Amino acid sequence: EDQVTQSPEALRLQEGESSSLNCSYTVSGLRGLFWYRQDPGKGPEFLFTLYSAGEEKEKERLKATLTKKESFLHITAPKPEDSATYLCAVQASGGSYIPTFGRGTSLIVHP
Amino acid sequence: SQTIHQWPATLVQPVGSPLSLECTVEGTSNPNLYWYRQAAGRGLQLLFYSVGIGQISSEVPQNLSASRPQDRQFILSSKKLLLSDSGFYLCAWRPLGGSYNSPLHFGNGTRLTVT
Repeated sequence: EDQVTQSPEALRLQEGESSSLNCSYTVSGLRGLFWYRQDPGKGPEFLFTLYSAGEEKEKERLKATLTKKESFLHITAPKPEDSATYLCAVQASGGSYIPTFGRGTSLIVHP
Repeated sequence: SQTIHQWPATLVQPVGSPLSLECTVEGTSNPNLYWYRQAAGRGLQLLFYSVGIGQISSEVPQNLSASRPQDRQFILSSKKLLLSDSGFYLCAWRPLGGSYNSPLHFGNGTRLTVT
């Protein structure tokens, strides 16, 4: 059974204090790993797809990296507007139409 | 470009009343469509998914049903709501075919409160 575990569940940072969110996964053949950002009362917004170990993607203050067992979302010099819940999901091979989601990390950045 | 519309944004319904939530996708054909429910602190729970018109797969036995009357339309329904149906409902789509390595794209959700 595919599993995705995100840590920490919640993270509080001061503005400018860089940190990383973790997404550990167990899957039988990775087709893709997805990162989303979700603001309160909104649907998840797609950020990145990573396909293979060693791959990296960047967008503004966010950088996602992938190994064979986990992915990190690095946040450099965060701002209060980066506050949101960040979700990770994996898509396994084998014909399933359904990605497996983690429960997310709630990030609060204080000014 | 593709867009997904979900309505209504919020809904308050009494116990025992019917429910109909609608989701439409524009700018693509033959999408895979999904209904999720999200409870606070509990992550995303897949309710239904569809790979084509009239093709619905249910993931969790419950008081809800789904239908896909048109290619880009996905409807979530209930004949009689329960208090436990309260939650945040999300519709999502992804392109059909390929190797399913493309992400899901979500609508902005419906906050349902059953009173």
